[in-house]
Parts: sequence; C-alpha cells; structure tokens
Amino acid sequence: GQQVQQSPASLVLQEGENAELQCNFSSTATRLQWFYQHPGGRLVSLFYNPSGTKHTGRLTSTTVTNERRSSLHISSSQTTDSGTYFCAIDRWASSSFSKLVFGQGTSLSVVP
Amino acid sequence: EAAVTQSPRNKVAVTGGKVTLSCNQTNNHNNMYWYRQDTGHGLRLIHYSYGAGSTEKGDIPDGYKASRPSQENFSLILELATPSQTSVYFCASGDHDRANTEVFFGKGTRLTVV
Repeated sequence: GQQVQQSPASLVLQEGENAELQCNFSSTATRLQWFYQHPGGRLVSLFYNPSGTKHTGRLTSTTVTNERRSSLHISSSQTTDSGTYFCAIDRWASSSFSKLVFGQGTSLSVVP
Repeated sequence: EAAVTQSPRNKVAVTGGKVTLSCNQTNNHNNMYWYRQDTGHGLRLIHYSYGAGSTEKGDIPDGYKASRPSQENFSLILELATPSQTSVYFCASGDHDRANTEVFFGKGTRLTVV
C-alpha cells in the first residue's frame, strides 16, 4: 500500500497567504526529507527532518515521529513558491543503505 | 551544495532502440539512484548502487539496466526502448549514515520514445 500520503494534492493561494502541507507515512521508517520541485523540473532538498521542528526563511517543517506525520508550513507565500512539494521517507534496504519513498506531491500555485 | 549532472537533458528515441542516460556526481557519494517521474505516480526507484561496480534493482527495474563503472558515474540503459518508458528520469546521489541521509538530485532527463 501507499507508504507516504500527502495532502492536499493541490493548493491555490493568494500571495501573502500561509499554507500547511501534510505528510503521513505508514512504515516505521522515520527519516524524512521535504523536497521542492521547480516548475522546470529540478528537485531541491528543503529539509532533512526526521523529528522535531526546523526553520529556514519562511518555511517550517515539523515531524512528529511517533504519530508518523510531518508538515511543511509556508508563511507569507510568494509567487516564486509555486511548484510541487514532495515528502519522502527512508526505507531501509540494509544497514548501510536506504531508499527514499516519495509521496505523490502537493502542487502549489501562488497567484498575485 | 552537492552537484549531480545528467545528460542528455532531453532525448527522443525510437521504439526498439537503445538509450543510455548518464549521471555524474562530484561529491564522492557512495550511493546513487535512478528514479522516474510520471503523473499520478510521483517518483519511483528503478535502480540504485552502493558504490563502484554495484547495481541493485529498485521497485520498477523491468526493462532497465544500470551500470556503475566508477564512484562518479551511474548510467541507466534501456536496451529496447518502448513508448511506456516515456518519462522524466532523475539521478540522485547521497551518503548514508545514521545521522544524515540527505539525497541530492540532478535536473532530470526528459525521454520520449516514439
């Protein structure tokens, strides 16, 4: 079954509004990474956040490990925030290797 | 930041032809990955590698081979390309330890099989 579920699937914001993106994961793997995909396709890492809260600029990631969920909060959204946000968890393949399993993403559109 | 370079960035291939997608990383990462991205499926793992000389099957390996001739290079090979392999392919690299398993991606290769 689906190991990583993201919600909402898509979101439209007025510039300046805040957004909260959710990620729920079913496996016990808890290492979690948030990625942003530019409209042109490039994937960049936003947060590596296996637990707790991390901040960078207008972004905040909070992972509650024992509840198997993580959120990404975007404050004061800008049109340049538009793109797709992915949550991914580590699925341990061995003691020396792990594989990222991705959710299906949240497509964010910020309009002026 | 870690650098992962893919080539080509765009490719059009004919059905039945051979396609090789290349990936180079300059960060001395042990682990490298090939994913494909399709609408409705997100990113799915095709092949991965622990290091030079190793390749392992991911979740959707059928129709693909991989080659890791060196620490820096990891190729994805479609021996007989089919239209169902039309997709965007991403290479990634990362190191693994229990404190940090951050992974870095290339810009992607858009493959169209006609």
